[in-house]
Amino acid sequence: GEDVEQSLFLSVREGDSSVINCTYTDSSSTYLYWYKQEPGAGLQLLTYIFSNMDMKQDQRLTVLLNKKDKHLSLRIADTQTGDSAIYFCAESRRDDKIIFGKGTRLHILP
Amino acid sequence: EPEVTQTPSHQVTQMGQEVILRCVPISNHLYFYWYRQILGQKVEFLVSFYNNEISEKSEIFDDQFSVERPDGSNFTLKIRSTKLEDSAMYFCASRNPGTGGAGAFFGQGTRLTVV
Repeated sequence: GEDVEQSLFLSVREGDSSVINCTYTDSSSTYLYWYKQEPGAGLQLLTYIFSNMDMKQDQRLTVLLNKKDKHLSLRIADTQTGDSAIYFCAESRRDDKIIFGKGTRLHILP
Repeated sequence: EPEVTQTPSHQVTQMGQEVILRCVPISNHLYFYWYRQILGQKVEFLVSFYNNEISEKSEIFDDQFSVERPDGSNFTLKIRSTKLEDSAMYFCASRNPGTGGAGAFFGQGTRLTVV
């Protein structure tokens, strides 16, 4: 079945880059996503990548996709205290439900 | 910017009571979803709804759950007889066909507490 795995915690110093990794099992995935959830808040779509791409950059965010290894990563450059949140990796097939990972809690050290 | 709105933001109910969670999807969207997130856990798919019927549901979505689009604007999730383990954040989402998840908009969630 479909599954998305990611590490649960990451601590990074303010100003450094954060890299959050994720693996997924569904080879038919069409879209891969990163969602951000701040404490007590909803799900904010940060960025997404089509499965036929291998990289997408959007300001401080860089998404890398290795389709062969089914590995997705999110790099946040110059991490700020406002980046402290839970980051969910997710995938879906075209016109299908979104499958989420358990989320990686990003903690920013001063 | 268009948004999905959910009401109430927080609902407390006694075990065994019925609850209805309400969502107003984005007006021209055709696919609707409910997800739930138990505190500290992953976001889990419950059900998808298209063309006035359920298109897919998960194992969680048992006979205690039902969905409805009663008036063309609201999309509701009903839990007939709530259990303690139904306590969770419930998220509604909507999108248009052909956009995949890239076009999925999530509401801010309803926190359901069953006591």
